[in-house]
Amino acid sequence: AQSVTQLGSHVSVSEGALVLLRCNYSSSVPPYLFWYVQYPNQGLQLLLKYTSAATLVKGINGFEAEFKKSETSFHLTKPSAHMSDAAEYFCAVTGGEGGGNKLTFGTGTQLKVEL
Amino acid sequence: DADVTQTPRNRITKTGKRIMLECSQTKGHDRMYWYRQDPGLGLRLIYYSFDVKDINKGEISDGYSVSRQAQAKFSLSLESAIPNQTALYFCATSDLKGARVNEQFFGPGTRLTVL
Repeated sequence: AQSVTQLGSHVSVSEGALVLLRCNYSSSVPPYLFWYVQYPNQGLQLLLKYTSAATLVKGINGFEAEFKKSETSFHLTKPSAHMSDAAEYFCAVTGGEGGGNKLTFGTGTQLKVEL
Repeated sequence: DADVTQTPRNRITKTGKRIMLECSQTKGHDRMYWYRQDPGLGLRLIYYSFDVKDINKGEISDGYSVSRQAQAKFSLSLESAIPNQTALYFCATSDLKGARVNEQFFGPGTRLTVL
C-alpha cells in the first residue's frame, strides 16, 4: 500500500520568496511520485513526476522536486513565487506497474502568495 | 477542445434522486477513473476501469456505481443520492504505454450538491 503526507494544509509566501511544499511518501515498492496543481474552478494539472530516472525533476512554471529515498520525501520548490502560483497543490504516489497503477493523493496544500 | 470532458459541470439535486455524471475522453486512453474531492481530504478513488470489460472498486465505492459504455466513455451513478455525497467529482484517464505510465489526465470536474 502507498500513502503520502503533505505537511501544512495552508502555506503563505510573499511574492518573490521561495516556495517549499512538503510531501513524504510511504510505499512498499519503488514509487512513482507526482505533483499536481489545481487552480480555482479547474481540474488537476500535472506539474512534474518522478519515475525512477533523475532524482531532481523539473516541471512546468519553474517548479522542481527532489526525490530523497533516505528521507522518503518529494518536496516541491520554486525559487521565486509569483501571484499566479496561488493554487492548491497535491502530491500523489503510485507503486508503478507492479503496484496497482492507482494514484493515492495527499490531502493538498493551499498556497497563498502575498504582495 | 478539451481532451477529457465532464457533464454536467454543476448539479443540484435532492436526497433520494438518481444522478448520473458522464465523462468522455478523446485521448484514446484505456484507463479511466472517478474521484471525489472534499475539502481537507484530497482526492479519493471511487471506481476505476482498465478497459471496457474491466471495472474495479476504489476506496469509497459504497453508494456509487459505474458503467464503461465504450473506451471513451465512463459514467458514474448515484442510485439514491444523499447529502454527504455533496462533493466535487473528477474523471481522469491514463494509458499503459511507455514513459506516460500512471500519469493521469483530469477533466474539469462536476460540482454536485445534494439537498
